[in-house]
Amino acid sequence: KQEVTQIPAALSVPEGENLVLNCSFTDSAIYNLQWFRQDPGKGLTSLLLIQSSQREQTSGRLNASLDKSSGRSTLYIAASQPGDSATYLCAAVYSSASKIIFGSGTRLSIRP
Amino acid sequence: SQTIHQWPATLVQPVGSPLSLECTVEGTSNPNLYWYRQAAGRGLQLLFYSVGIGQISSEVPQNLSASRPQDRQFILSSKKLLLSDSGFYLCAWERGPTDTQYFGPGTRLTVL
Repeated sequence: KQEVTQIPAALSVPEGENLVLNCSFTDSAIYNLQWFRQDPGKGLTSLLLIQSSQREQTSGRLNASLDKSSGRSTLYIAASQPGDSATYLCAAVYSSASKIIFGSGTRLSIRP
Repeated sequence: SQTIHQWPATLVQPVGSPLSLECTVEGTSNPNLYWYRQAAGRGLQLLFYSVGIGQISSEVPQNLSASRPQDRQFILSSKKLLLSDSGFYLCAWERGPTDTQYFGPGTRLTVL
């Protein structure tokens, strides 16, 4: 069964810290892996997409890595800010028919 | 630029009543379209996806149905709502399987 797991479910850190969010997937035959941000009561905003042939992607203070062999992806946030507080979801895409499986998310809180 | 709209934003319906949620995309043509449901504290569950007009694929058996009457319009329907249909419904689009998904603002459905 294809599953995506995110640990921890919730995380609270003081402003300015660097942090890592984890995502693991049981089936390594992914097409790509995506990271999203969701603010309370809102839709999802795409952060980064890593194709299966890539190892990492960077956007500003965000860096996402992908290790297909171990079934893991990490989202690194540098110099965290209160505005980074949100739920972060990863999603594994498994076929060109876009079978996409989401993790349940990590709820991140940055303390001023 | 592309935008995606969903309405209504919130909806409260009694059990047994019908449902129609609408999603429209602007600024692109022939997108892949998706309907997801997000239950409280849980990840997103893919309900339906469509690669073209009149083409609907269902991921899970349920009380819901979807239709795509026009290229950029995706409708989620039910003839009789159940309590378990309550949740946050999200529509998304993508250009193709190598592209990221772009989400609408969502519809909060409460079935009483």
